Amino acid sequence: AQKITQTQPGMFVQEKEAVTLDCTYDTSDQSYGLFWYKQPSSGEMIFLIYQGSYDEQNATEGRYSLNFQKARKSANLVISASQLGDSAMYFCAMREGPGGYQKVTFGTGTKLQVIP
Amino acid sequence: EADIYQTPRYLVIGTGKKITLECSQTMGHDKMYWYQQDPGMELHLIHYSYGVNSTEKGDLSSESTVSRIRTEHFPLTLESARPSHTSQYLCASNGGRTVDYGYTFGSGTRLTVV
Repeated sequence: AQKITQTQPGMFVQEKEAVTLDCTYDTSDQSYGLFWYKQPSSGEMIFLIYQGSYDEQNATEGRYSLNFQKARKSANLVISASQLGDSAMYFCAMREGPGGYQKVTFGTGTKLQVIP
Repeated sequence: EADIYQTPRYLVIGTGKKITLECSQTMGHDKMYWYQQDPGMELHLIHYSYGVNSTEKGDLSSESTVSRIRTEHFPLTLESARPSHTSQYLCASNGGRTVDYGYTFGSGTRLTVV
């Protein structure tokens, strides 16, 4: 079974509008972490935001926020006030495993295109 | 300024050649990783290391090998390149006990085997 599911292969959003990128996950661990990364066409991976499984508040980093719904096992990324530079692939990822020996699994990604 | 460096950025090479993809980090991170990614697709872990002289295979079977003789250096080697090895290879590192603050990734090496 897929550990990380991103159901939106591609998304369009108008500049200055907000957009939500979906991510659901599957784990039996009580302690885990969820990440979002941005990958522009140049190929590098840029860390955006992190949410721990025990964090009670949703993580926020500038225009990025993570809508964490633990019971539904979802960790959606919300980008507010989209900019042209936000056009990129976005990957949801999860780390699980005992402390010190954790690995991170990535989803298949969502390609976001911001329209002027 | 990047703290993790991958060279070369792009490589086109003939079938059967031996290649080494370089990855170095200046952050003193003990954990390092290699991911393989086809264009527009997900990342697959192929190798990881939790410290000097520690290397493990990842979730995706790979014909490549790695070594970790120094903390800062984690090269990946293909003894005999094949067209099926054409992909992007991303190196990452992480310090501390957990990966809670994400990996730092290099810029990647885009390998084409002809």
